[in-house]
Amino acid sequence: EPEVTQTPSHQVTQMGQEVILRCVPISNHLYFYWYRQILGQKVEFLVSFYNNEISEKSEIFDDQFSVERPDGSNFTLKIRSTKLEDSAMYFCASRLGIEQFFGPGTRLTVL
Amino acid sequence: AQSVTQPDIHITVSEGASLELRCNYSYGATPYLFWYVQSPGQGLQLLLKYFSGDTLVQGIKGFEAEFKRSQSSFNLRKPSVHWSDAAEYFCAVLMEYGNKLVFGAGTILRVKS
Repeated sequence: EPEVTQTPSHQVTQMGQEVILRCVPISNHLYFYWYRQILGQKVEFLVSFYNNEISEKSEIFDDQFSVERPDGSNFTLKIRSTKLEDSAMYFCASRLGIEQFFGPGTRLTVL
Repeated sequence: AQSVTQPDIHITVSEGASLELRCNYSYGATPYLFWYVQSPGQGLQLLLKYFSGDTLVQGIKGFEAEFKRSQSSFNLRKPSVHWSDAAEYFCAVLMEYGNKLVFGAGTILRVKS
C-alpha cells in the first residue's frame, strides 16, 4: 500500500541554522500539507499546497517558513533561521480525496 | 471558528474494560470526522472516519465511533481494551469543502493490568 515517507526521522540543529524537512507524498495525490506537534501539545496545521502554490497557511507559518515541490515527487518544508520554539514533530500529509494520509514525522530539535 | 474539544486529558482503564473517549466539535454544518491514534514517538494512525451515512462507524483494532449530530459529538468506543491500546488519541475535524484538519488536544489512554 502506498504511503507518505519523510526524511530525516530526527534532525538536530543549532538555533539560527536553516533546516529542510523532506516528504515524498503518495504519487497520485494532489494536495499536500505540513502539520506541527510541539511535545505534549496537539497537532497544528501549518500550510497546504496545491497546484504548485500555497492554498492556505496558518499564523504560525511566517516568513521563516517556506514550502516547495521541487521535482514533482518531493515536498519540502524549509525553516530559514530556526528558533528554540521550532522544536517539534513535523508531519507531512497528502490527499487525493477527502482523507489525508500522514507520514511518520520528523522530530526537529533546535539547540 | 471551528474547534474540537476532547474534555479528558488522561483516562485510565483496566485491561478488558470498556472504553469511551469523548469528542465534541463546534461547526455549523456536518464536518468530516476522524480519530487518530499516536503511540509515543510515532506518527498518526487513522483509526476510523465518518463522512456520511450510517452514524456508527467501525474502524481498525476493534474501535468504533458514533456521530451524534444533536450533540455535535463523535465519541470513540471499544468494548474491551487491550494493554496495547495504551496511546494518545486525537479527534480531528475537516470542514466540508475545507482544507485543513483541526485536531483536538488529545486524550492519553493508560491501561492497567
